Amino acid sequence: DTGVSQDPRHKITKRGQNVTFRCDPISEHNRLYWYRQTLGQGPEFLTYFQNEAQLEKSRLLSDRFSAERPKGSFSTLEIQRTEQGDSAMYLCASSGTSGSYEQFFGPGTRLTVL
Amino acid sequence: RKEVEQDPGPFNVPEGATVAFNCTYSNSASQSFFWYRQDCRKEPKLLMSVYSSGNEDGRFTAQLNRASQYISLLIRDSKLSDSATYLCVVSGYTNAGGTSYGKLTFGQGTILTVHP
Repeated sequence: DTGVSQDPRHKITKRGQNVTFRCDPISEHNRLYWYRQTLGQGPEFLTYFQNEAQLEKSRLLSDRFSAERPKGSFSTLEIQRTEQGDSAMYLCASSGTSGSYEQFFGPGTRLTVL
Repeated sequence: RKEVEQDPGPFNVPEGATVAFNCTYSNSASQSFFWYRQDCRKEPKLLMSVYSSGNEDGRFTAQLNRASQYISLLIRDSKLSDSATYLCVVSGYTNAGGTSYGKLTFGQGTILTVHP
């Protein structure tokens, strides 16, 4: 499967714990995006990278959230001191920088904070 | 005001019906427009891009009115397999923070159920 992959697919954690999610984009794509989706809403942009550079961050990305893409390939999203309001689906997408710029989404990581 | 607004529905239609979804966006500088489809508990997938001249892909027709900041999607001859959430999406606009070409801004989504 050469699509976007995310790990884990599901994560249940207790409030106050730290969690880390991983995204592996389509191999030739140099742009990588993180979104968050809550029930009944469309995805909301969190941040994006072009290669290893983080080019934009949403105001939704509080100081408890950090994302990295150290080698311009896979990316991690860490949430520190999780809160119940962090419960959501975290979606990763990737795209190229030429042609259609279509963003291809991974299956998501569903986070539940108890 | 939300940047992209859609009627959340739900729309319940019989097979073979024609159904139309509407969407408005607030930033007049938006440059790219799309409809995405999202099946239950799955990731969003691009259905079609939307162009000012209007475009068609089989049973699906998308229209864009830049003056009114309005986007539409028409589905003809609905199939059971069309049941999904349809997301209106805009991209590429300039705000006080500068120009962003990368991120997608999604509407709330419109739920469609096609029944036999």
